[in-house]
Amino acid sequence: DADVTQTPRNRITKTGKRIMLECSQTKGHDRMYWYRQDPGLGLRLIYYSFDVKDINKGEISDGYSVSRQAQAKFSLSLESAIPNQTALYFCATSDFTSGVTDTQYFGPGTRLTVL
Amino acid sequence: AQSVTQLGSHVSVSEGALVLLRCNYSSSVPPYLFWYVQYPNQGLQLLLKYTSAATLVKGINGFEAEFKKSETSFHLTKPSAHMSDAAEYFCAVSVTGGTSYGKLTFGQGTILTVHP
Repeated sequence: DADVTQTPRNRITKTGKRIMLECSQTKGHDRMYWYRQDPGLGLRLIYYSFDVKDINKGEISDGYSVSRQAQAKFSLSLESAIPNQTALYFCATSDFTSGVTDTQYFGPGTRLTVL
Repeated sequence: AQSVTQLGSHVSVSEGALVLLRCNYSSSVPPYLFWYVQYPNQGLQLLLKYTSAATLVKGINGFEAEFKKSETSFHLTKPSAHMSDAAEYFCAVSVTGGTSYGKLTFGQGTILTVHP
């Protein structure tokens, strides 16, 4: 089984709808991240969480919210989806036990289309 | 704040030719540097990373990168391209201190095409 899973893998929705993207990990990592990928822009950080009680905004958090339900689960919500939120969304996890910035491990992505 | 610039959004090489993907970074504190690869319809996977040990870093699939502080560069190379190397490559920087500690900042990506 994959270490980082995302559901759904693909979603088409309409403007104004509420959408939740879910991420689960079995790596035992404390740190989790949500990114969006747009062509030519690379990956941009939406939100990140360094532990269950810690939630932080990234560079493009407007229009998004998150919930860290457990160490292994980190959900991203679009309260009222708009077309420019059409993108590929990635969840990632990382460890920090060594005190050094560790590798981030990515899920397979969720392709979201907002009509 | 840190940033990354990847020079060239598209690079095309022939099979067997040298692969060179360019990455320059900006950081006010000592950086950690990463190269990730994204194959079609997949997530990102780590190719290699620099964390202040050896400046020449070897990764998977025959790739390597050299950290050059004086040039603020971390270019990715492979001596001989293979068709399976066709993918999008991302350079990323993380910092070792301050409020951005532990977060990655990505470049815009370079799509590598390999011709037979």
